[in-house]
Amino acid sequence: AQSVTQLGSHVSVSEGALVLLRCNYSSSVPPYLFWYVQYPNQGLQLLLKYTTGATLVKGINGFEAEFKKSETSFHLTKPSAHMSDAAEYFCAVSRGPGGSNTGKLIFGQGTTLQVKP
Amino acid sequence: SAVISQKPSRDICQRGTSLTIQCQVDSQVTMMFWYRQQPGQSLTLIATANQGSEATYESGFVIDKFPISRPNLTFSTLTVSNMSPEDSSIYLCSARTSGGVSVNEQFFGPGTRLTVL
Repeated sequence: AQSVTQLGSHVSVSEGALVLLRCNYSSSVPPYLFWYVQYPNQGLQLLLKYTTGATLVKGINGFEAEFKKSETSFHLTKPSAHMSDAAEYFCAVSRGPGGSNTGKLIFGQGTTLQVKP
Repeated sequence: SAVISQKPSRDICQRGTSLTIQCQVDSQVTMMFWYRQQPGQSLTLIATANQGSEATYESGFVIDKFPISRPNLTFSTLTVSNMSPEDSSIYLCSARTSGGVSVNEQFFGPGTRLTVL
C-alpha cells in the first residue's frame, strides 16, 4: 500500500523568503513522486516529478524537490517566494518501476501556501 | 502533454437527480481517471476508466452511484447518480500519456464544481 503525508496544512512565508513544503511517503515498492499545484478555482498543474535517475529534480516556476529514499521524503523548495506562488500544493505517489504500474495517484492532504508582502 | 476539458464547469443540482460530466482529451491516452475533491480536502480516486470495458472502482465507490463510460481513447463520462448534498465536490478527470517526455505524468482537467441542494 502507498500513502503520503504532508506536514503542515498551512505554511506562511514572506515574499522573498525560502519556501519549504514537506512530504513523506510510504510505499512497499519503488515510487514515482509528484508535486502538483492548484490555484483557486482551477485544476491541478504538475510542478515536477521524480521517476528514476537524479534525485534532485527541478520543476517549473523555480521549484525543486529532492527524493531521499533513506528518509522517505520528497520535500518541495523554492529559494525565494513570490506572491504568485500562493496556492494549494499536493504531493502524490504512484507505483514506480518494477511495480504494477496502474498509474493511480495517491495524494497527500495538501498544503496551503500563503505569501505575505 | 495532454490538454483536458470538462463539461460542465459547474452545476447546481437538486437532490435525487443525476448529473453526467464529460471529459475530453486532445490526444489519445492510455489511462483515464476520475477523482473527487471534497470541500477543503485532497483528491480521492473514484475509479480508473477503462476503454471498452467496465471501470475499476476504488474502495468506497460503486458503479451504481458513479457509472463511468469510456467509449474511446480520448473521451470519458462520469455520472453522479441519485445525488445528495454529500456529493457536493469538485470532480476532476485526469489522463496519463503512454510515452514521450511526459511518460508517467497525469494531466488534469479544470474540474467540475458540483453543488447539490
